[in-house]
Amino acid sequence: AQSVTQLDSQVPVFEEAPVELRCNYSSSVSVYLFWYVQYPNQGLQLLLKYLSGSTLVKGINGFEAEFNKSQTSFHLRKPSVHISDTAEYFCAVSSKRGSTLGRLYFGRGTQLTVWP
Amino acid sequence: KAGVTQTPRYLIKTRGQQVTLSCSPISGHRSVSWYQQTPGQGLQFLFEYFSETQRNKGNFPGRFSGRQFSNSRSEMNVSTLELGDSALYLCASSQSNTEAFFGQGTRLTVV
Repeated sequence: AQSVTQLDSQVPVFEEAPVELRCNYSSSVSVYLFWYVQYPNQGLQLLLKYLSGSTLVKGINGFEAEFNKSQTSFHLRKPSVHISDTAEYFCAVSSKRGSTLGRLYFGRGTQLTVWP
Repeated sequence: KAGVTQTPRYLIKTRGQQVTLSCSPISGHRSVSWYQQTPGQGLQFLFEYFSETQRNKGNFPGRFSGRQFSNSRSEMNVSTLELGDSALYLCASSQSNTEAFFGQGTRLTVV
């Protein structure tokens, strides 16, 4: 089985400042890694994903994440945040095995609040 | 291309009743998964369907069931509702093992 730990439940930051949301995972098999964003009363929107290859992954809205296999981490970063980035962010993993996505294992989420 | 559609968006039910939620995946997607989201437990996997067959199941009681139709649309049913079943239920569709697209969710309130 896999598990995901998001190290910060809340991250407050001022507009235009950089931000890092931390994610560590545990798995006995090879995994795919994802970051999703959720706005109030909405579903989950995929920000970016790591499947293989380059460990630095770029996503939508200026976000990027770096996969570190030795530290089993997949931290999300943005160099300059906007008020509109205020939302909850979820890190997730899934097993590479199987022809379907199967089960996504989610972290507990990080609430990012951007202040003016 | 239309996204994942979940109906209804909001539901209020009484304890002991049953409820059916519907999910229409993205056209061409044959895999549908369901998740329950609560403040206390976070996002928890319910089950996954592919080509009308349940492929994976999470750790939920038998009151939670689902099915998938030949057009890939899926329904989940919760019988004998409990207050603790109040949650946002999310449906996700996918056509590969590398990405899932989520619907807006159905907010179920049990009173």
